[in-house]
Amino acid sequence: GENVEQHPSTLSVQEGDSAVIKCTYSDSASNYFPWYKQELGKGPQLIIDIRSNVGEKKDQRIAVTLNKTAKHFSLHITETQPEDSAVYFCAAGYNQGGKLIFGQGTELSVKP
Amino acid sequence: EADIYQTPRYLVIGTGKKITLECSQTMGHDKMYWYQQDPGMELHLIHYSYGVNSTEKGDLSSESTVSRIRTEHFPLTLESARPSHTSQYLCASSPLGTGSPYNEQFFGPGTRLTVL
Repeated sequence: GENVEQHPSTLSVQEGDSAVIKCTYSDSASNYFPWYKQELGKGPQLIIDIRSNVGEKKDQRIAVTLNKTAKHFSLHITETQPEDSAVYFCAAGYNQGGKLIFGQGTELSVKP
Repeated sequence: EADIYQTPRYLVIGTGKKITLECSQTMGHDKMYWYQQDPGMELHLIHYSYGVNSTEKGDLSSESTVSRIRTEHFPLTLESARPSHTSQYLCASSPLGTGSPYNEQFFGPGTRLTVL
């Protein structure tokens, strides 16, 4: 069935360093790839997304890249800050909306 | 801040009890979802609905049931709770349509269920 693999499961960086989280997906028909951030005690919140007609998208310190041929996409956070500490999820879905298949999550810790 | 609410936030209950987890949204979204989140973080879709009187089972088999009688309300029920049902349950919603902003799922804060 459809599957999304996410790595690493935990990531620890120093404040100011960059963090990269990678995901691969199995369904070649997927064309929508969001990233969610989940803080302690809260539900996940969308931080950035990318569609299959775009290779890269940037929003301030976060960027996402997509390689549709290889079926993988990545989240890049630059100049990390302690408030970036959270669990990050990638997901794959379709442009017409509906179900998302989530990755296993990455617990990011930014040390001051 | 998304207008999607879950009650209760925490529930500790004994084995065999019937429970209902409430989820409501005020955004008029047609699509709603229930996820079960492991202690190890992974999110598993257990139920979804694309409109009133429409419900489907998700990718993870669950003994829970759902109903969608009103657009804004999507409760989840366990007829007889067991310790294996102990988990975090997250409700989400998204609008009907194609492309941005129709893909985004808005999540509630979750209900943490413990069955003794």
